[in-house]
Amino acid sequence: AQTVTQSQPEMSVQEAETVTLSCTYDTSESDYYLFWYKQPPSRQMILVIRQEAYKQQNATENRFSVNFQKAAKSFSLKISDSQLGDAAMYFCAIVNNNDMRFGAGTRLTVKP
Amino acid sequence: NAGVTQTPKFQVLKTGQSMTLQCAQDMNHEYMSWYRQDPGMGLRLIHYSVGAGITDQGEVPNGYNVSRSTTEDFPLRLLSAAPSQTSVYFCASSSVLAGGTDTQYFGPGTRLTVL
Repeated sequence: AQTVTQSQPEMSVQEAETVTLSCTYDTSESDYYLFWYKQPPSRQMILVIRQEAYKQQNATENRFSVNFQKAAKSFSLKISDSQLGDAAMYFCAIVNNNDMRFGAGTRLTVKP
Repeated sequence: NAGVTQTPKFQVLKTGQSMTLQCAQDMNHEYMSWYRQDPGMGLRLIHYSVGAGITDQGEVPNGYNVSRSTTEDFPLRLLSAAPSQTSVYFCASSSVLAGGTDTQYFGPGTRLTVL
């Protein structure tokens, strides 16, 4: 079975600074997708960024980018120019063959 | 375009009661799924469906039933509620790609308490 590990239960960052959230995963498959989702206090799950495993190029979405290391099974999220609205729980997830697994999450606090 | 809707938003049950959590999507997605989220844990997949008439078990299926009679609806049934089923339940939908599901769109969640 696939597993996802987020080793940082909590992280904090100063407004306008950069922070990196870690994620490692384990899978025996070669074809899969990786995601970062954000969950603010409203509880709504919001997609942050998506990466196809067959693509070597790291995905970017505005201030959000990933460092995808397929051999190391690592998928970290970098948030640049952090904003107060970035404060939330962040979940890393992997999906293959319709089986989606999430990590336990990292709570990000943004300090003004 | 409402996306993914879930009802009810909150529910309190007594042990042994049954109920159905409703989920509907209007994006014509083939894939629909149910997750539960417990404190300190990520979402865990309960059941999923890749199309009308097709369902399969996820990571934590025990105590739950699903059916998929239409593309739009994917209800989750608790047959005999137990306190261990106290959780927040999310429904999600997505299109299907060759390697698996695409980006999932989540409903707002249902907070269920079993006394």
